[in-house]
Amino acid sequence: SAVISQKPSRDICQRGTSLTIQCQVDSQVTMMFWYRQQPGQSLTLIATANQGSEATYESGFVIDKFPISRPNLTFSTLTVSNMSPEDSSIYLCSVGPEGGYTFGSGTRLTVV
Amino acid sequence: SQQGEEDPQALSIQEGENATMNCSYKTSINNLQWYRQNSGRGLVHLILIRSNEREKHSGRLRVTLDTSKKSSSLLITASRAADTASYFCATVPANAGGTSYGKLTFGQGTILTVHP
Repeated sequence: SAVISQKPSRDICQRGTSLTIQCQVDSQVTMMFWYRQQPGQSLTLIATANQGSEATYESGFVIDKFPISRPNLTFSTLTVSNMSPEDSSIYLCSVGPEGGYTFGSGTRLTVV
Repeated sequence: SQQGEEDPQALSIQEGENATMNCSYKTSINNLQWYRQNSGRGLVHLILIRSNEREKHSGRLRVTLDTSKKSSSLLITASRAADTASYFCATVPANAGGTSYGKLTFGQGTILTVHP
């Protein structure tokens, strides 16, 4: 299965700023997924990112707040824009289903 | 929205005991997967069971699936302190295509604590 390098692993950010999270995969994958995990909660899918097309966002998530790039088949970024304390969460990228689902190690974001 | 629920929400046992976690889901599925998460880090895939399977084993893990009840259980036998983690079930919908392809829908999770 694929190996994902996700960074940063954690960050503390000021409200109103933006943070970009990167995921690098060691093999070419068609689909990448971005999830949010709020404190003490389960994972919620933010969007699906396919190379060469715009990301598909789930209900409750919008591109202006969570812009995603997918420049090639091994890399994707998620930006959390204009952050507020409510954005404090763990953000995870994932690839699948071909070859099985794999998750990055997560980015723990704290907005102060 | 979340697919289903897991119970118990938290489980505390002694090392050597068995731990059983349950997961329920709402819609027809292609497969159901179980994941472990340590201390809010990345998820580790444990086991996948397809909708036409009823039971699957992997080491100390045993997973059952009852599609008529839309439920699954994960049994960890002879638990160890290192099994302490959060456990999540996740489902892939049946006939997933188009924008649903590849998406996982997660349950609420069970926090397992194994005391040495």
